[in-house]
Amino acid sequence: QVQVVESGGAVVQPGGSLRLSCAASGFTFSNHGMHWVRQAPGRGLEWVAYIRYDGGNKYYSESVKGRFTISRDNSKNTLYLEIYNLRPEDTALYYCARDPRVGATFPPAWLGPWGQGTLVTVSS
Amino acid sequence: DIVMTQSPDSLAVSLGERAAINCKSSQSVLHSSNNENYLAWYQQKPGQPPKLLIYWASTRESGVPDRFSGSGSATDFTLTVSSLQAEDVAIYYCQQYYTTPLTFGGGTKVEIK
Repeated sequence: QVQVVESGGAVVQPGGSLRLSCAASGFTFSNHGMHWVRQAPGRGLEWVAYIRYDGGNKYYSESVKGRFTISRDNSKNTLYLEIYNLRPEDTALYYCARDPRVGATFPPAWLGPWGQGTLVTVSS
Repeated sequence: DIVMTQSPDSLAVSLGERAAINCKSSQSVLHSSNNENYLAWYQQKPGQPPKLLIYWASTRESGVPDRFSGSGSATDFTLTVSSLQAEDVAIYYCQQYYTTPLTFGGGTKVEIK
């Protein structure tokens, strides 16, 4: 079945860096755009970034632009999020989610399915 | 950024009764080019990731029970659960995709009365 599984979360000191991964299976990964969304403990959802199916376009929220980099390796069916200069407010469960549309060249839209998430904790 | 405001923050509904959740956007998400509302709804059960329920404001995702329906246009939207079941206890979020950054409402918690 369609599945995405995140990994790479950790406890990191402020100013540190991390790379999150999202392994996709059950669908043709190279046909779908992908998102990262985060959820701080006990809080709502915050969209972080999106990458088009071919990596041709990337979109970021203002709160992470310049510190986060989304990328993908279609040969490995894997999505990445590189996070630099981590701040305490980046503490959250980070989800990856698929754009259900095939070959979408339009800006990002709705999301599904979502993975279980990987926890990033920024603390000294 | 488009701000999405949901109401109420929480509601308690008896089993079999109707639940309605409202979502208001700070600007219209109705696109004139295709007359579509760029709005989706998600369900997040405790300890689980969000699940897509509805997109284009009223198109039900495959496999979603037909007791879930979406309505509204431009800036005012409603998610309705026609007959609440025990498994519908969750937090529900609306999301606009009219423009980036994509933004979510603050969530509405639905419980059984």
